[in-house]
Amino acid sequence: EDQVTQSPEALRLQEGESSSLNCSYTVSGLRGLFWYRQDPGKGPEFLFTLYSAGEEKEKERLKATLTKKESFLHITAPKPEDSATYLCAVQAAGAAGNKLTFGGGTRVLVKP
Amino acid sequence: EAGVAQSPRYKIIEKRQSVAFWCNPISGHATLYWYQQILGQGPKLLIQFQNNGVVDDSQLPKDRFSAERLKGVDSTLKIQPAKLEDSAVYLCASSLVGGRQRTDTQYFGPGTRLTVL
Repeated sequence: EDQVTQSPEALRLQEGESSSLNCSYTVSGLRGLFWYRQDPGKGPEFLFTLYSAGEEKEKERLKATLTKKESFLHITAPKPEDSATYLCAVQAAGAAGNKLTFGGGTRVLVKP
Repeated sequence: EAGVAQSPRYKIIEKRQSVAFWCNPISGHATLYWYQQILGQGPKLLIQFQNNGVVDDSQLPKDRFSAERLKGVDSTLKIQPAKLEDSAVYLCASSLVGGRQRTDTQYFGPGTRLTVL
């Protein structure tokens, strides 16, 4: 069974204090690893898709990296507007459908 | 481009009552998903449609949950009868194509928050 574990569960940062979120996964064969951002009362908002170990993607202050067992989301010099829950999900190769298996998320609070 | 639309946004019912949620996917998207998100957890897939057909409903509690996607566009998810543990946010998502070996991005709607008393 596919599993995704995110750590830490919660993270409090000062504005400008860079940090990293971890996503460890177990999947029979990885088709893709996804990062989403979710604000309170809203649906997840797509950030990145990573396909193979060694791949990196960047968007503004966010950078996602992928190894064979985990992915990291680096937040560089965060601002208060980066406060959100960050969700990681995997999609397994060979599955009947396109199910995303999500981790529990990391709640990030950036204080000014 | 309009996003995924869902209604209602909030619903409060008593246990054993019935409830239905509606979803309109992004125009042109063939694949539609319903996820359940319990407070403090990540979303869990309930059912995936590709056009009119069901691709994966392995995690749908079929004794009380049902879903349909008539004409391959809008979809409804129904719970009958509801239990306390069904309290959650029900998220609808859509993707352009879907299917095996495809890694389309799934775009989510705002969700419907269900409270069962």
